[in-house]
Amino acid sequence: EVQLAESGGGLVQPGGSLRLSCAASGFPFGDYDMHWVRQVTGKGLEWISGIRSAGDTYYSDSVKGRFSISRDYAKNSLYLQMNSLRAGDTAQYYCARGVRGFTHFDIWGQGTLVTVSS
Amino acid sequence: SYVLTQPPSVSVAPGETATITCGGDNIGRKTVHWYQQKPGQAPVVVIYISTDRPSGIPERFSGSNSGNTATLTIYRVEAGDEADYYCQVWDRSGDWVFGGGTKLTVL
Repeated sequence: EVQLAESGGGLVQPGGSLRLSCAASGFPFGDYDMHWVRQVTGKGLEWISGIRSAGDTYYSDSVKGRFSISRDYAKNSLYLQMNSLRAGDTAQYYCARGVRGFTHFDIWGQGTLVTVSS
Repeated sequence: SYVLTQPPSVSVAPGETATITCGGDNIGRKTVHWYQQKPGQAPVVVIYISTDRPSGIPERFSGSNSGNTATLTIYRVEAGDEADYYCQVWDRSGDWVFGGGTKLTVL
């Protein structure tokens, strides 16, 4: 079964750091682009970062310079290193698989909650 | 950056047709994708490349895209269709962009 499972969320103080992980299974992880999408409770979806199968990375303006996306092909895992966290980063963070040759996301994890608060 | 505009809410009676729009500058030149998100769940794609339906999505879901508006149409709406719906495109600036979302209420 194709699955994505996020972990690493939690409570962090403003200015702090957190590293999210996304474990992929059931498909050839190295062949797919992967993304992080977040959602503030009660609000809409926001794409924040993506990494191509070849390793090229992309960031939204809202996280550029603070967040870093990476992947470990051997561990079939996607990561999001989040630094200089702000209250506005409080959200549910989803990892999502990009569809090969297309521009949408076909598989999503269940998300992990990040709360930035003192 | 590219902006997608959706109505915050749409209400429809069971059995009727729901129309959810997604506005963007020359969006007709882009491929648009639509997601359904129910409370407490991750999004699910219901329409991709503007008009195609993934396997498992009922034929009642249909997409179109022209000019400055893309449209998700749900025919013969059922109570189970009540959810938030988001449009999404990829912009040449390198960003993947979502609309603000539309809450579909089945009366």
